[in-house]
Amino acid sequence: KNQVEQSPQSLIILEGKNCTLQCNYTVSPFSNLRWYKQDTGRGPVSLTIMTFSENTKSNGRYTATLDADTKQSSLHITASQLSDSASYICVVSAVMTTDSWGKFQFGAGTQVVVTP
Amino acid sequence: ETGVTQSPTHLIKTRGQQVTLRCSSQSGHNTVSWYQQALGQGPQFIFQYYREEENGRGNFPPRFSGLQFPNYSSELNVNALELDDSALYLCASSLRAGGTGETQYFGPGTRLLVL
Repeated sequence: KNQVEQSPQSLIILEGKNCTLQCNYTVSPFSNLRWYKQDTGRGPVSLTIMTFSENTKSNGRYTATLDADTKQSSLHITASQLSDSASYICVVSAVMTTDSWGKFQFGAGTQVVVTP
Repeated sequence: ETGVTQSPTHLIKTRGQQVTLRCSSQSGHNTVSWYQQALGQGPQFIFQYYREEENGRGNFPPRFSGLQFPNYSSELNVNALELDDSALYLCASSLRAGGTGETQYFGPGTRLLVL
């Protein structure tokens, strides 16, 4: 079972509107959570990274929230643009131990399509 | 641009053949991870190399192997290719500095098609 679940699987929004993507995880012990944007056929690009003590992080029109108690995160896109059309991937890391070095648990991603 | 490069960008092979994919990590990074990403799916961790040694492996068979060189560039080798190996192969480099907040920087990927 995947330790990182994202929803919705896909969504279509009108240009200029806002949207929120969800990420639930069971990775433990939790170290940090990242949101990546991946354009079709390209490698993922980091948007935000949050550790246990952080509950919100912004990067331009992207705002990520984290609730470490409920193990949930969201990514909010404000005033969407056509260039926001991409897959958004949630990645959760466990605290580094000899068993978890460098292991990042990836969600399947949410495919966002922004239409004119 | 992340400074991570991969070659080739696209590749077509037939079943049973062998393939080598290459990755040049970002300057100063000592760790390289490889991922397989099937169409419409999130990346799946294959393995990671840290200072030329394999350090962690996902649920992939032994026909997936790799190398990391003294300059920290890396290769992914896949033997006896199967149709299901068709995917985007991503390389990510990072700096293992003993902390827990290392960020991975991804290359553009190599698109492999097995016929």
